[in-house]
Amino acid sequence: EVQLLESGGGLVQPGGSLRLSCGVSGFTFTNYAMNWVRQTPGKGLEWVSAISGSGDSTYYADSVKGRFTISRDNSKNTLYLQMNSLRVEDTAIYYCASEATRHFDDWGQGTLVTVSS
Amino acid sequence: QSALTQPASVSGSPGQSITISCTGTSSDVGSYNLVSWYQQHPGKGPKLMIYEVNKRPSGVSYRFSGSKSGNTASLTISGLQAEDEADYYCCSYAGRTTWLFGGGTKVTVL
Repeated sequence: EVQLLESGGGLVQPGGSLRLSCGVSGFTFTNYAMNWVRQTPGKGLEWVSAISGSGDSTYYADSVKGRFTISRDNSKNTLYLQMNSLRVEDTAIYYCASEATRHFDDWGQGTLVTVSS
Repeated sequence: QSALTQPASVSGSPGQSITISCTGTSSDVGSYNLVSWYQQHPGKGPKLMIYEVNKRPSGVSYRFSGSKSGNTASLTISGLQAEDEADYYCCSYAGRTTWLFGGGTKVTVL
């Protein structure tokens, strides 16, 4: 059974940092690119970042470029998102999702990030 | 890049068919046959229902089908059932390893 489990969310002040993790099981991790997608009540789903199966290539939405860093540890079947210089508008539920060919096959249950003073 | 446009809500009676539209531009929906649709029940993560415009993953009911014409993609649910009540999101590959999502459509089964 495929499972993706996010963790690391919480309350952080504007300008602060947070590191999200996504543990994966049930499929060959290195065969899949991995993505982070976030969801806010007002703006729906927004693609945030992607990383290739090997970890050599990374991609970011303009809204997070320069502030967020995606990475993966293939020996631990784990995906990460380092979020720095957080803004109020980064408040959202963050999902990790596997990607085979330009669509998101499986998703986690999400972890809530709240940026507020 | 702006989000794809979906109707906020669509409703239908059990057994009926409904269609959800998803309008983008010639730079996203119109350029790639890489439109996917996701179902989301409250408190859950999204679930892939359709990929590459009209392909169904294993385990997804045949009642779900997708199509595309120009810059607009559509998801049709036939034989509407109570369990289909959920939010539905379209998504299009937009080039340079970026994706755009629609704002979501709430499907209500009357």
